[in-house]
Amino acid sequence: DTTVKQNPRYKLARVGKPVNLICSQTMNHDTMYWYQKKPNQAPKLLLFYYDKILNREADTFEKFQSSRPNNSFCSLYIGSAGLEYSAMYLCASSRGGLNQDTQYFGPGTRLLVL
Amino acid sequence: GDSVTQKQGQVTLSEDDFLFINCTYSTTTYPTLLWYVQYLGQGPQLLLKVTTANNKGISRGFEATYDKGTTSFHLQKASVQESDSAVYFCALVERGGRALIFGTGTTVSVSP
Repeated sequence: DTTVKQNPRYKLARVGKPVNLICSQTMNHDTMYWYQKKPNQAPKLLLFYYDKILNREADTFEKFQSSRPNNSFCSLYIGSAGLEYSAMYLCASSRGGLNQDTQYFGPGTRLLVL
Repeated sequence: GDSVTQKQGQVTLSEDDFLFINCTYSTTTYPTLLWYVQYLGQGPQLLLKVTTANNKGISRGFEATYDKGTTSFHLQKASVQESDSAVYFCALVERGGRALIFGTGTTVSVSP
């Protein structure tokens, strides 16, 4: 099973409220990623976990948090949503190491902040 | 830093037409260049990979090649079908192999 699952598929949030998105995979992949995708823009890497080590991109460091309680699950947390957070959030996983070309993506969570 | 540019936002074709999508890249290392495809309601999935070692990748009727001289890479298919309608992303494995850098995607619409 090469499926990456994401919940929820759609999320409506109010400005200033927290948002928590969930991702899971059963492939025993050691690396899990979160990307943000806005219309007409490339998927943008927000952060990734390699095993238990979290790596966050410098320009989104303070905007997103994440946790990985076990190998299969990874969350993306927004403490206080703003309108600019409206986007598709894609989770992916891979076997890790230096050869990161094959990432398995979930279907995404579409977040709308009002 | 490493970057990828994908200028074709939308391509509209009829079945049996020829598909050609082009991306340009910038990197200081030997690149691994990728094509991902995203069908409606699904996440992106790896379609093809091209490296400086193999120069070409072929899968499901698609062919990917790259041109080191012009730092560009291409995806083509001789005869598209309606089922090829999807968004196609080019991507580059970031220097150090840590993550992927994506292009903005090309929406390919194929009418029967």
